Amino acid sequence: SAVISQKPSRDICQRGTSLTIQCQVDSQVTMMFWYRQQPGQSLTLIATANQGSEATYESGFVIDKFPISRPNLTFSTLTVSNMSPEDSSIYLCSVAAGGVNSPLHFGNGTRLTVT
Amino acid sequence: AQKVTQAQTEISVVEKEDVTLDCVYETRDTTYYLFWYKQPPSGELVFLIRRNSFDEQNEISGRYSWNFQKSTSSFNFTITASQVVDSAVYFCALSGFNNNDMRFGAGTRLTVKP
Repeated sequence: SAVISQKPSRDICQRGTSLTIQCQVDSQVTMMFWYRQQPGQSLTLIATANQGSEATYESGFVIDKFPISRPNLTFSTLTVSNMSPEDSSIYLCSVAAGGVNSPLHFGNGTRLTVT
Repeated sequence: AQKVTQAQTEISVVEKEDVTLDCVYETRDTTYYLFWYKQPPSGELVFLIRRNSFDEQNEISGRYSWNFQKSTSSFNFTITASQVVDSAVYFCALSGFNNNDMRFGAGTRLTVKP
């Protein structure tokens, strides 16, 4: 299974600012995904980070709010822009290291609190 | 559209009891994949099992077992002789042909008391 390093592990930010979360994988993977887990809730897919093309966003998530970069097959960033308290969540990077339909493996997440 | 329902929000058992976590899914795909993940209090998500739609064999791994029944669209998870370390939130998930349509259930919080 892939080893996924996510930074920062937690942060407290003021409203109106932006935070960029980094995700580094120890092997090349085609598909990387960003999830959000609001307090006490399930996981919701934000977007699929595609190498060499724009990310594919799920309904309810837009590029202006959650810009994503995927410069190579081992790295991606998610930015949470113009934050409000409603953005307080755990943000998780995940990869399908074994290819299509292989289990997703997750980073330890970034616990974001917006004040 | 894919949907996963975990009707049990919280379950509390005493150590050594057996416990079953229910998962019911909806999909129009003929090929699909089912998963269970564990999220202990530390927060990381741990993959437990994957099942494809063509394999209805039940699986046992130590104290864990899974019962997949296509006839009832269910993929239930049983922990035998539960232990305190089993306390976690357990998520059932479903994906179709691509991982980018994976959907998670709401999760079941299991508390195992000593």
